[in-house]
Amino acid sequence: DAKTTQPPSMDCAEGRAANLPCNHSTISGNEYVYWYRQIHSQGPQYIIHGLKNNETNEMASLIITEDRKSSTLILPHATLRDTAVYYCIVRVGSDSWGKLQFGAGTQVVVTP
Amino acid sequence: DTGVSQDPRHKITKRGQNVTFRCDPISEHNRLYWYRQTLGQGPEFLTYFQNEAQLEKSRLLSDRFSAERPKGSFSTLEIQRTEQGDSAMYLCASSRRRGGNTEAFFGQGTRLTVV
Repeated sequence: DAKTTQPPSMDCAEGRAANLPCNHSTISGNEYVYWYRQIHSQGPQYIIHGLKNNETNEMASLIITEDRKSSTLILPHATLRDTAVYYCIVRVGSDSWGKLQFGAGTQVVVTP
Repeated sequence: DTGVSQDPRHKITKRGQNVTFRCDPISEHNRLYWYRQTLGQGPEFLTYFQNEAQLEKSRLLSDRFSAERPKGSFSTLEIQRTEQGDSAMYLCASSRRRGGNTEAFFGQGTRLTVV
């Protein structure tokens, strides 16, 4: 699986959009981009995933560049409950047995 | 759907003792995974099951570690002769294949402290 690079931390004001970058320059054509987050003392939580097209769900939006070498997770209106470590993971989208390779992630702190 | 359940939530044990953790996956999820997470790091994959079959083990899983999923439902992770380096959060996740991808749901973990 391709490796990812994320900033170690970032702050965001409550009510504003949080844009979390992720670089995955060695991503292969059959690898998907996944985002999980982990709130303190809890297990990771799935947010969203995508292959080529931008994706949106009730939690967030995922913007993937045309060359697929980077992506951005957007939390449209950050709340204090969005304070967490956010992990960007790339892995083969076909049946890869669900093994996830987490990095250190980005610690996001949402401030009032 | 009651989520992935792990028991106990916390365990303190003396070095050299054996410990066993239990994971109850979401019902009808045929895949179950164990991860370990140390402070400040992301979770590290240990092993996973497809039904009752253990299909992959990480090299992180030393001989002192054993995992079972005897009937394809709950799973146990046992650590024998615990060492201080085993202190970590042990996370369980389950998934069911949906389309071409799997979305894993994690439990809240068992925090192990070896003293």
